[in-house]
Amino acid sequence: QKEVEQDPGPLSVPEGAIVSLNCTYSNSAFQYFMWYRQYSRKGPELLMYTYSSGNKEDGRFTAQVDKSSKYISLFIRDSQPSDSATYLCAISGAGNNRKLIWGLGTSLAVNP
Amino acid sequence: DAGVIQSPRHEVTEMGQEVTLRCKPISGHDYLFWYRQTMMRGLELLIYFNNNVPIDDSGMPEDRFSAKMPNASFSTLKIQPSEPRDSAVYFCASSLSVTGELFFGEGSRLTVL
Repeated sequence: QKEVEQDPGPLSVPEGAIVSLNCTYSNSAFQYFMWYRQYSRKGPELLMYTYSSGNKEDGRFTAQVDKSSKYISLFIRDSQPSDSATYLCAISGAGNNRKLIWGLGTSLAVNP
Repeated sequence: DAGVIQSPRHEVTEMGQEVTLRCKPISGHDYLFWYRQTMMRGLELLIYFNNNVPIDDSGMPEDRFSAKMPNASFSTLKIQPSEPRDSAVYFCASSLSVTGELFFGEGSRLTVL
């Protein structure tokens, strides 16, 4: 079993839809949870950063962490064509185990 | 700041040739990371440096790969000899901490024929 699992998609939605992107992980020691967005032929850029459990909201984006289920989500409200990109989850532990573990990424297309 | 700068953006070479990829991190960032990205394996950490010192090179696939950071503003990733299976996009990223926000360059797309 991989440490971080992410469905690669592709996911195609109409403009204005609510998008849900998810990752599962296996190590209960993970404490830092990130979502990066990667446009075609560009490097990833940080979108959301969450420590431990709970929700974090930033504009149209909400990151959710459920440590009991080892499940993290990224919700995009009122999706726009400019949201079309690959979304990667990245997770790390604490102390001496702080190396980021990456999901494969989910490709999202928002159609006008 | 101009961000993380990588060169070349594209490299096409023949099997057996030496490849050198270059990276200039963001000024003031103490951490520098080299990643490789492929469709099948996603983003893989090859090596990272802290204050120019290699900290973890366990992701370097084999001895054909080497990385250096002679000073705070420059790093290289070298592949010698290159093989077709090395074809990938290689990213350099810098950060203020090992779990802080990573700032990626635009990548170097390597094709080995």
